[in-house]
Amino acid sequence: GAVVSQHPSWVICKSGTSVKIECRSLDFQATTMFWYRQFPKQSLMLMATSNEGSKATYEQGVEKDKFLINHASLTLSTLTVTSAHPEDSSFYICSARGYLQETQYFGPGTRLLVL
Amino acid sequence: GENVEQHPSTLSVQEGDSAVIKCTYSDSASNYFPWYKQELGKRPQLIIDIRSNVGEKKDQRIAVTLNKTAKHFSLHITETQPEDSAVYFCAASRRTDKLIFGTGTRLQVFP
Repeated sequence: GAVVSQHPSWVICKSGTSVKIECRSLDFQATTMFWYRQFPKQSLMLMATSNEGSKATYEQGVEKDKFLINHASLTLSTLTVTSAHPEDSSFYICSARGYLQETQYFGPGTRLLVL
Repeated sequence: GENVEQHPSTLSVQEGDSAVIKCTYSDSASNYFPWYKQELGKRPQLIIDIRSNVGEKKDQRIAVTLNKTAKHFSLHITETQPEDSAVYFCAASRRTDKLIFGTGTRLQVFP
């Protein structure tokens, strides 16, 4: 149980385009989902927390207009990187958690390369 | 703000030896402490967690200890195997709040 999927697993795009990443909880209802960014050989950096049906809470320094997060259902959250630039290239990982649960289960990540 | 320090950053051990990774947290209200293992290019996977009402927890070759007074918690891996090689992250949170991650420990187990 507690499986989280992410799509796509990797994406290459041109500078200026927008990219959407999906995160799905496959066998449980995820009332809360988290989006992280991870640079090579570094820790997980939390970008934002999203609760189903409400606006995401962004961490300090993360531009909410740049990284649009939608959590419209209990099994799906999306992250859209708008007007992507090379510095947005990174490994983006989502995680999901059930209602009043502590444990976060991670998706497999999406590797984004912006040319 | 909240902070979790993790040591060492790299750890090399011979197969069969034990490995210990230590973390210190700053928020005294933290009460949930998971450990994740991340292999190269893959997702972090929960390997063990502990809550503040427990001082130690064991699962086969893996154990975690918690010292609430000192705000320390540690991961112990016994009889290490090459497949234990990965990056290990500790984290701390207040129950259902966001996780604060440590900086990671790269463990290499040599055959």
